[in-house]
Amino acid sequence: KQEVTQIPAALSVPEGENLVLNCSFTDSAIYNLQWFRQDPGKGLTSLLLIQSSQREQTSGRLNASLDKSSGRSTLYIAASQPGDSATYLCAVSTGANNLFFGTGTRLTVIP
Amino acid sequence: GAGVSQSPRYKVAKRGQDVALRCDPISGHVSLFWYQQALGQGPEFLTYFQNEAQLDKSGLPSDRFFAERPEGSVSTLKIQRTQQEDSAVYLCASSQNPRAAEQYFGPGTRLTVT
Repeated sequence: KQEVTQIPAALSVPEGENLVLNCSFTDSAIYNLQWFRQDPGKGLTSLLLIQSSQREQTSGRLNASLDKSSGRSTLYIAASQPGDSATYLCAVSTGANNLFFGTGTRLTVIP
Repeated sequence: GAGVSQSPRYKVAKRGQDVALRCDPISGHVSLFWYQQALGQGPEFLTYFQNEAQLDKSGLPSDRFFAERPEGSVSTLKIQRTQQEDSAVYLCASSQNPRAAEQYFGPGTRLTVT
C-alpha cells in the first residue's frame, strides 16, 4: 500500500520568509501528485497538480517539484504571507482511482 | 459552474442512529470520490463512482457504510447504526476523467457521534 509522509508536521515562520514543505511516498508508480491547502473547518483547495511525466509546476508564489524515482516532492512557497497559514496536504494517485494523502504540514506565518 | 457542495455541513448523531450525507459534484464530472478524514489525519479513501457505477468500495470500513449515485450525479453516503469511531469529516470530490485528473473537493460534512 502506498504510504505518504510529510515533514515537518508543523512549521512557524515570520512573514516574508521563503519555505519548503516536504512529501515522500513509498511507491514510485504514480500517475500524479497533488498539493492541497486546507483551512480549518473547510474542504481542500487544489494548489498544484504534477503529472508523473513532469518535474515541476508553478503557480504564482508556489512551486512544486517531483522526483518520482526517489519518491519525493517539495512545495516551495516564496515570500510567505499570513494568509498562507493553513494545513498543506500532499496526495499521490496510483491510478487506482483514489488519492493517498499524507497527514499534512500545519503552517503558521507570523505577521 | 459551482464547485462541489455537500450537505449537511455538520451532523450530530446519537450512537446507533442512521445518517445520510449528500454530495453534489461539479456538473458533468464523471468521477466521484468519498473520503473520511479523522481529526489530525489526512483524508482516507472510502469509495469511487464512475457515473452511476460504483467501481471501488475497498475503503469502506464496514458493511454499515453504503454509498450510491443512482443517476450519475448526486451521491449519498449512508452510515447505519453509527458508532463513535465514525466521527470524522466526510469529504466528497469529483473529477472530469476517471484517471490522472485533478480532483475538486467539497467543504465536507463533520459528523459527530455522541
